[in-house]
Amino acid sequence: QQPVQSPQAVILREGEDAVINCSSSKALYSVHWYRQKHGEAPVFLMILLKGGEQKGHEKISASFNEKKQQSSLYLTASQLSYSGTYFCGTGRTQGGSEKLVFGKGTKLTVNP
Amino acid sequence: DTEVTQTPKHLVMGMTNKKSLKCEQHMGHRAMYWYKQKAKKPPELMFVYSYEKLSINESVPSRFSPECPNSSLLNLHLHALQPEDSALYLCASSQTGGNNEQFFGPGTRLTVL
Repeated sequence: QQPVQSPQAVILREGEDAVINCSSSKALYSVHWYRQKHGEAPVFLMILLKGGEQKGHEKISASFNEKKQQSSLYLTASQLSYSGTYFCGTGRTQGGSEKLVFGKGTKLTVNP
Repeated sequence: DTEVTQTPKHLVMGMTNKKSLKCEQHMGHRAMYWYKQKAKKPPELMFVYSYEKLSINESVPSRFSPECPNSSLLNLHLHALQPEDSALYLCASSQTGGNNEQFFGPGTRLTVL
């Protein structure tokens, strides 16, 4: 089932902060975050796992609330390079590989 | 080398044509994925190969036929496509076992006339 992201879009000035949320009506085992710039491939940001483990880039901050079945991505002191569409994906291991279902995305625009 | 390459970058085909998309990685990943992405939509999983065997098929129509000839290559054979199949086709790879970063290729933009 597709996770729900909010907001759908956000516009920031450089240096401002933003929070992107991802929620699911089903139990979450892991949440994956990717950013995709226009015309480019999605790029991995972070994975959050049940039990609190995180894998990803140190400069990215995120949380995972298992009880609420929610994850949030925190973008602080935004830079122009943060612009793009952010996707969260709920993951499930199947047959030794990952089955990811992505949310509809949050479009972030950072202006000078 | 942390790159996934895809060829061709662009493909235009008629509904009666047969074509193939190619994906290659040399990171030693044994899980490889095909995604379809329509404009302003998220990537949708189509197929997953694990150790060169098809492990996930998301009920994709048979006009799409995946193939994994070896651990570095992934193909997607296309036949008798419909205009609604026009999209960006993304390939990705990862380590096996789940909960691993997926590395995406730049995609092939397919237009079906």
